[in-house]
Amino acid sequence: IAGITQAPTSQILAAGRRMTLRCTQDMRHNAMYWYRQDLGLGLRLIHYSNTAGTTGKGEVPDGYSVSRANTDDFPLTLASAVPSQTSVYFCASSEIAGGQETQYFGPGTRLLVL
Amino acid sequence: AQRVTQPEKLLSVFKGAPVELKCNYSYSGSPELFWYVQYSRQRLQLLLRHISRESIKGFTADLNKGETSFHLKKPFAQEEDSAMYYCALRAGAGSYQLTFGKGTKLSVIP
Repeated sequence: IAGITQAPTSQILAAGRRMTLRCTQDMRHNAMYWYRQDLGLGLRLIHYSNTAGTTGKGEVPDGYSVSRANTDDFPLTLASAVPSQTSVYFCASSEIAGGQETQYFGPGTRLLVL
Repeated sequence: AQRVTQPEKLLSVFKGAPVELKCNYSYSGSPELFWYVQYSRQRLQLLLRHISRESIKGFTADLNKGETSFHLKKPFAQEEDSAMYYCALRAGAGSYQLTFGKGTKLSVIP
C-alpha cells in the first residue's frame, strides 16, 4: 500500500507557466487537502475536498485551483505561476475512525518559481 | 476564526533535559488538538492527539481549556527527538480542516 503519493518530487518553473501538482491516495479516504509549507509560516491550507465532486477554499486559495473527479486523485493547478508560489506543497488525506480523524501526509513537492 | 500560536520558532535543549513545546489556541467552541512532527527529510506525521490522552515516544500533552493551551512535554530529551513540531486544531465534529501553528524546530544537543 503506497498511501499518498505526490508528483513531481521537485520542479523548477518559469513564472507565467501553468503547472499541475499531482496527488493520489489509495486508502479510500473521503477528505483530501493541499497545504503549502513556508519557513516561519508553517502549513497553510490552500484547498480541500470533503468528498469526491466537492471542493472548498482554504486560507490561501488565490492563484490555485483544484478538482476532485474521483476519490483517489486531487490535483492542484497553478494557472500562471508567480515567484511567491515558491514553496513546499503537501497533499494530505484523512479518515474518521472511532470518531477520531487522522490526516496522512504525502512526501511533498518542492516548487521553485523563477 | 480559530488560531494556533507556537511562540518559539526554535528550541534547543541538551540531551537528557526536559522539553516543553508551547502551543496556545483561540477558538470559541470545543476544539480537537493535535501535535504533528516532521523529522528531517520525512513527511509530516501525527504524534498525538488530546482526545487519546496517550504518551507517544515519551511525549505527552494535556489540553488546558482554562489557559487555552496544549503544550507538548517530554521529561528527558533524546537526539532523535530533533525535528519540526506543529500544533494543530480541528474545530470540532463535522469539520475536516486543521489549522496549524507556525511550528517549532526542536534541536537536541548531544
